[in-house]
Amino acid sequence: TQLLEQSPQFLSIQEGENLTVYCNSSSVFSSLQWYRQEPGEGPVLLVTVVTGGEVKKLKRLTFQFGDARKDSSLHITAAQPGDTGLYLCAGARNFNKFYFGSGTKLNVKP
Amino acid sequence: GAVVSQHPSRVICKSGTSVKIECRSLDFQATTMFWYRQFPKQSLMLMATSNEGSKATYEQGVEKDKFLINHASLTLSTLTVTSAHPEDSSFYICSASTGLESSYEQYFGPGTRLTVT
Repeated sequence: TQLLEQSPQFLSIQEGENLTVYCNSSSVFSSLQWYRQEPGEGPVLLVTVVTGGEVKKLKRLTFQFGDARKDSSLHITAAQPGDTGLYLCAGARNFNKFYFGSGTKLNVKP
Repeated sequence: GAVVSQHPSRVICKSGTSVKIECRSLDFQATTMFWYRQFPKQSLMLMATSNEGSKATYEQGVEKDKFLINHASLTLSTLTVTSAHPEDSSFYICSASTGLESSYEQYFGPGTRLTVT
């Protein structure tokens, strides 16, 4: 059983469309990170959110941490083919342990 | 900054042999390193957490005698897969954290693809 569930698992959209990926848990996390991973490579950190209700923006990406620090969302505006990849959320229960979500595979078609 | 390397990037070994994978933090001291395993098209599964100078803490279901972890210095952790079998074939990824209470982040290595024939 995954501690963090992501939805959707797969997403295939056209360039220019918007999308939202959700990361949900019944557990509280001290922080939550979002990563993007390309095939055959390690995950690359996109953002860390720490405070409940926090919203962070990274160009066309908007990240939100739930008020209760149990869930998070990633919204991409005007998706581009370069956004294609596996998106992973990871929650930290304390500073020394991180748990990954089930992953969302995004494919943006030109 | 915050670069983590892994060696080798790919390894093929015969069933029954042992394989060692190195994880190095190149430009910072990593008090804590993590080892993950990733199956194709799946997420990362935490195998163990290792703190410099102490024994690794393994997740439930991970055999500590099969996956030997050593974190002898603040910049190096090794994972040895002993008596490897084809079902051990996987993508192994390490990450490193400073372990500071002010830091929530971990930095990932590029991964090691292990194939056991």
